[in-house]
Amino acid sequence: NAGVTQTPKFQVLKTGQSMTLQCAQDMNHEYMSWYRQDPGMGLRLIHYSVGAGITDQGEVPNGYNVSRSTTEDFPLRLLSAAPSQTSVYFCASSSGQSGNTIYFGEGSWLTVV
Amino acid sequence: EDQVTQSPEALRLQEGESSSLNCSYTVSGLRGLFWYRQDPGKGPEFLFTLYSAGEEKEKERLKATLTKKESFLHITAPKPEDSATYLCAVLHYGQNFVFGPGTRLSVLP
Repeated sequence: NAGVTQTPKFQVLKTGQSMTLQCAQDMNHEYMSWYRQDPGMGLRLIHYSVGAGITDQGEVPNGYNVSRSTTEDFPLRLLSAAPSQTSVYFCASSSGQSGNTIYFGEGSWLTVV
Repeated sequence: EDQVTQSPEALRLQEGESSSLNCSYTVSGLRGLFWYRQDPGKGPEFLFTLYSAGEEKEKERLKATLTKKESFLHITAPKPEDSATYLCAVLHYGQNFVFGPGTRLSVLP
């Protein structure tokens, strides 16, 4: 019963490097999203997708790209890492954008030095 | 601006000492208020969804209530294993979820 799976769990990047955080869900959910969690600020939405081929920006999209080629996968790309992107990243999915429970992955801890 | 605040920021209780956590929100067209539990190093785990003022939900030692402006998470006779950060989130018309910053609960034996 995998649910939402994120990789890697931990990553250290140098400023300017790029990388991709992987997210996969096996619940056939249409809606997937990426959040970042910083101390005292709660979870903030980066990008979301309401289905394969459809993505949109959330509250803090700058510096990140996403794509949704399949229902199962929703990778998050950091184009040129900056220290301000040091954070914990959570991928989430739900069966619908409105009113349905969202399920979270275990998180990816990213440090940019 | 849509906003979700939680209080207190941190709460320390003795085992068996009941208390309440608060989640206040200023959004229009609330479609649901969600409570999550988050353990250190883990993703948030779903607890409850409340949809309308007056609604209550219970699970073991936890009870969530909802009014038009706030929600309370009541913890009755807590145990050390209830120690975690509790997050609330709101979903409103045409938008995604908005999360509060959380309350860190510590229950001492």
